[in-house]
Amino acid sequence: ETGVTQTPRHLVMGMTNKKSLKCEQHLGHNAMYWYKQSAKKPLELMFVYNFKEQTENNSVPSRFSPECPNSSHLFLHLHTLQPEDSALYLCASSLGTENQPQHFGDGTRLSIL
Amino acid sequence: GQNIDQPTEMTATEGAIVQINCTYQTSGFNGLFWYQQHAGEAPTFLSYNVLDGLEEKGRFSSFLSRSKGYSYLLLKELQMKDSASYLCAVRDSNYQLIWGAGTKLIIKP
Repeated sequence: ETGVTQTPRHLVMGMTNKKSLKCEQHLGHNAMYWYKQSAKKPLELMFVYNFKEQTENNSVPSRFSPECPNSSHLFLHLHTLQPEDSALYLCASSLGTENQPQHFGDGTRLSIL
Repeated sequence: GQNIDQPTEMTATEGAIVQINCTYQTSGFNGLFWYQQHAGEAPTFLSYNVLDGLEEKGRFSSFLSRSKGYSYLLLKELQMKDSASYLCAVRDSNYQLIWGAGTKLIIKP
């Protein structure tokens, strides 16, 4: 139990579907992150929220849309995804965005048909 | 560009010692992290180095040399449960985390 919960754990969707990934942290952290993890590749940072404000958007395609209603919850809305978007999507949180370690959820394994 | 290099895969024997190396070229340095990730699970924080030298935490130690752009994670008295991927990550001058692709460690009996 890392204190960061992601749902669903697995998701299979067609390219025309719309779905959302959910992340919740129970650690009292102020920053939350979305990462994409593909096999044998470094973690790719997608979005960063600090105190509910988006501070990073690393050139992520608009078919990925984040939402952070409060410091404890983070969503990733998905629509018209491509097969190359199949990956493990990890959520993380940290107390701040500088030297504090990030705490990760177990991820959502996403498969695009 | 910014780059983190670590071996793709290593194999070691139960009870032995293994050293996983990480070299980095980043724009500035504000600390280096090691994480452990078991298959299908979340990466979990192992260690943080910001000054040169060795940080010891039980069976795991992490070393940093900023002048060489080099770190290693040392695992002693290896156990089967240590089979996992080990991720090295460096904070650059903008406090962005730059990640390595991870080292898959296989422990054999």
